Amino acid sequence: DQQVKQNSPSLSVQEGRISILNCDYTNSMFDYFLWYKKYPAEGPTFLISISSIKDKNEDGRFTVFLNKSAKHLSLHIVPSQPGDSAVYFCAATKGVQFYFGTGTSLTVIP
Amino acid sequence: DTGVSQDPRHKITKRGQNVTFRCDPISEHNRLYWYRQTLGQGPEFLTYFQNEAQLEKSRLLSDRFSAERPKGSFSTLEIQRTEQGDSAMYLCASSLVHGNEKLFFGSGTQLSVL
Repeated sequence: DQQVKQNSPSLSVQEGRISILNCDYTNSMFDYFLWYKKYPAEGPTFLISISSIKDKNEDGRFTVFLNKSAKHLSLHIVPSQPGDSAVYFCAATKGVQFYFGTGTSLTVIP
Repeated sequence: DTGVSQDPRHKITKRGQNVTFRCDPISEHNRLYWYRQTLGQGPEFLTYFQNEAQLEKSRLLSDRFSAERPKGSFSTLEIQRTEQGDSAMYLCASSLVHGNEKLFFGSGTQLSVL
């Protein structure tokens, strides 16, 4: 039962343009939503999070938007850089449990 | 803050053998998690400790899997009688109990069962 879904396995974007990564969830009781970035042969690293009571959080080039009515969140990266090329996982928490999506592989083309 | 450390980084074993992985969390973190990740999937929860107490186990965790955190610091994950389906990346993560919703992951142990 996949409670967090990332329906796009991959995304390619030109350097300098905006990258938009999407995530859908099914459980309206989630407390926080997070984005993690993963390079090959490394563990995921935390990128940005948003509380379920907010609809936007921004940190430098990264902005996360939460649409609770649609049970949808997105990560915007502006401007995209080649070093952003990685797999991005969205995650949601309920109490102590974290639920991860299947990831979107982002390639930023120089 | 030295981060979450996992050992070994890679393990190749033959089917039927036992393997043990170690995780050293960030020192002040009292929650420790084990996850498993296979290609094309996100991390899947296996088990979770708060201090030395194992508070939750996933149904993915068969009786061949056992995890310990004896003194509330490092943790070990043992897989007995390994099967080819156990091949995966085993990730450890830690977090604080209060006021911090983030998990900090180690680099993982890549297990290959031949």
